[in-house]
Amino acid sequence: DARVTQTPRDKVTEMGQEVTMRCQPILGHNTVFWYRQTMKQGLELLAYFRNRAPLDDSGMPKDRFSAEMPDATLATLKIQPSEPRDSAVYFCASGAGQGQETQYFGPGTRLLVL
Amino acid sequence: GQSLEQPSEVTAVEGAIVQINCTYQTSGFYGLSWYQQHDGGAPTFLSYNALDGLEETGRFSSFLSRSDSYGYLLLQELQMKDSASYFCAVKTSYDKVIFGPGTSLSVIP
Repeated sequence: DARVTQTPRDKVTEMGQEVTMRCQPILGHNTVFWYRQTMKQGLELLAYFRNRAPLDDSGMPKDRFSAEMPDATLATLKIQPSEPRDSAVYFCASGAGQGQETQYFGPGTRLLVL
Repeated sequence: GQSLEQPSEVTAVEGAIVQINCTYQTSGFYGLSWYQQHDGGAPTFLSYNALDGLEETGRFSSFLSRSDSYGYLLLQELQMKDSASYFCAVKTSYDKVIFGPGTSLSVIP
């Protein structure tokens, strides 16, 4: 049963600390998306990749957030330094690309910055 | 700008039919998707409409009118497990999707 995996599932950290979230997309999927979900803003697209190349990161605060795909099986989202307003659930999703409409979401990382 | 609108909350009775509407204004449009999300869970894909008309998948149907920038999700024979949030999402480019604010559906006995 192919699925997107994310680690960690929960993270509590203090303001100013670095946070790294990891995502393993479904094998064979060539598009990867990072979303942030809060009650206030809903589901926001932060960044996405096609064939490991970043295509759009306009939704991401550039001064503290960075997203990379070191290889086809791993996507990372880093926050440095973290702030309380970054507290949210971060979802990774992958898709088969080629214009396919379905995105498969991972279980999310629930981040709390104190 | 880009905007999607949905009702924030809908309540319906078990066994009944409910319709969740979505209107959108986006700079590009390839199609309209619907996702379901239970509390504490991840969004899961329900349906996709690229062309005008009604698509049916079991108890769920989705409709699109491109000329009206409007779509809806129709849930029939409601069950308690259908209580969840439902998001419409517009595919604005080859890969990119923008999500609506979500509609919280409560199914009551």
